[in-house]
Amino acid sequence: EAGVAQSPRYKIIEKRQSVAFWCNPISGHATLYWYQQILGQGPKLLIQFQNNGVVDDSQLPKDRFSAERLKGVDSTLKIQPAKLEDSAVYLCASSLVGTSGQETQYFGPGTRLLVL
Amino acid sequence: QKEVEQNSGPLSVPEGAIASLNCTYSDRVSQSFFWYRQYSGKSPELIMSIYSNGDKEDGRFTAQLNKASQYVSLLIRDSQPSDSATYLCAVNSAYSSASKIIFGSGTRLSIRP
Repeated sequence: EAGVAQSPRYKIIEKRQSVAFWCNPISGHATLYWYQQILGQGPKLLIQFQNNGVVDDSQLPKDRFSAERLKGVDSTLKIQPAKLEDSAVYLCASSLVGTSGQETQYFGPGTRLLVL
Repeated sequence: QKEVEQNSGPLSVPEGAIASLNCTYSDRVSQSFFWYRQYSGKSPELIMSIYSNGDKEDGRFTAQLNKASQYVSLLIRDSQPSDSATYLCAVNSAYSSASKIIFGSGTRLSIRP
């Protein structure tokens, strides 16, 4: 079974530029998450999708961040314009609810963003 | 108060000893609890999940859950240098029709030979 795919793996941009990240979840996983992980901290949830609908985007800085999940499969996360404090690893995860009703989450390799 | 709290460490344990990692959470309706291991520069990897009070063992790992105290722990027996990593505690707090997984900031574990 293929895992969660993300691209690019690394990105360096200057502040005020735009950047986009792509995520392809595990086939059949309805729930997709985007997390931001700053060095030395735990992952912080930015947005959660259930199929192609947004479940939670309360911590997404909507003035500069946007995300979409067209057709309920792939997802993109965009930052426009980027700030220095956006330097972080952006993790995509997908999850499956098992027959017992318990959810298991799987992470992609992440995109490491450096804003100069 | 943070929703999920962990001691940031570093926690240094001699090889072969038991490493004990602790986590507390604030949402009493939390139902699912997870421990992830994260090596430097890598993404989190699920190592244990626990859903009911008590102990759950998987190889050298034991997860312990006490919902009354809002406390979850991870024990690693016979610690190996390869166990050196950051361990993230995550809690699933169900709300409305969906669930939300919240992570702690992680505990850095170092196993010294």
